[in-house]
Amino acid sequence: SQTIHQWPATLVQPVGSPLSLECTVEGTSNPNLYWYRQAAGRGLQLLFYSVGIGQISSEVPQNLSASRPQDRQFILSSKKLLLSDSGFYLCAWSPPGTSGYEQYFGPGTRLTVT
Amino acid sequence: GDSVTQMEGPVTLSEEAFLTINCTYTATGYPSLFWYVQYPGEGLQLLLKATKADDKGSNKGFEATYRKETTSFHLEKGSVQVSDSAVYFCALGSFQKLVFGTGTRLLVSP
Repeated sequence: SQTIHQWPATLVQPVGSPLSLECTVEGTSNPNLYWYRQAAGRGLQLLFYSVGIGQISSEVPQNLSASRPQDRQFILSSKKLLLSDSGFYLCAWSPPGTSGYEQYFGPGTRLTVT
Repeated sequence: GDSVTQMEGPVTLSEEAFLTINCTYTATGYPSLFWYVQYPGEGLQLLLKATKADDKGSNKGFEATYRKETTSFHLEKGSVQVSDSAVYFCALGSFQKLVFGTGTRLLVSP
């Protein structure tokens, strides 16, 4: 069966510090991968998605970036965090060759920028 | 652009009460519609879906019917349990992406 892992579970970082969140999927090959942010009182906002290694599409211009160095690894990064980057970050995957609408989510990372 | 509007929460019910969570959407074309649920401390998981008008999605006692004429996909359950306490997200699928509503928190007390 497939599983998705995210770490860390919680993170407190000062403004201006770098960020690296990691997501890995097991039990499938060439999944579609997604990064979402869930801010307080708001819905999920799609940040990035990837259909293959090195293929990243950005949905919202901001100081975050994503990379997919391996087939089942998806990394969310920032060089300098802003207070507005605080939120709950969710990684998700969907089977390759599908509509991408049935997504499987990881447990999330709670990021607090101070 | 495409969007989803959900009723604001929290929705507070007693066990065995009837549940309705309203969801309406705006989209070009004919999107697929979904309800996702987020239990405390967990990621989202797909609850049910409908891919065309008049389809009814159902799972775990929850139901929702795709109403094109009212652009709605309201979630219902006849008798809620404490274990149903969670945040419920309505979403539409368009151009291979999901667009989510803001979520509705459901609190069920014994």
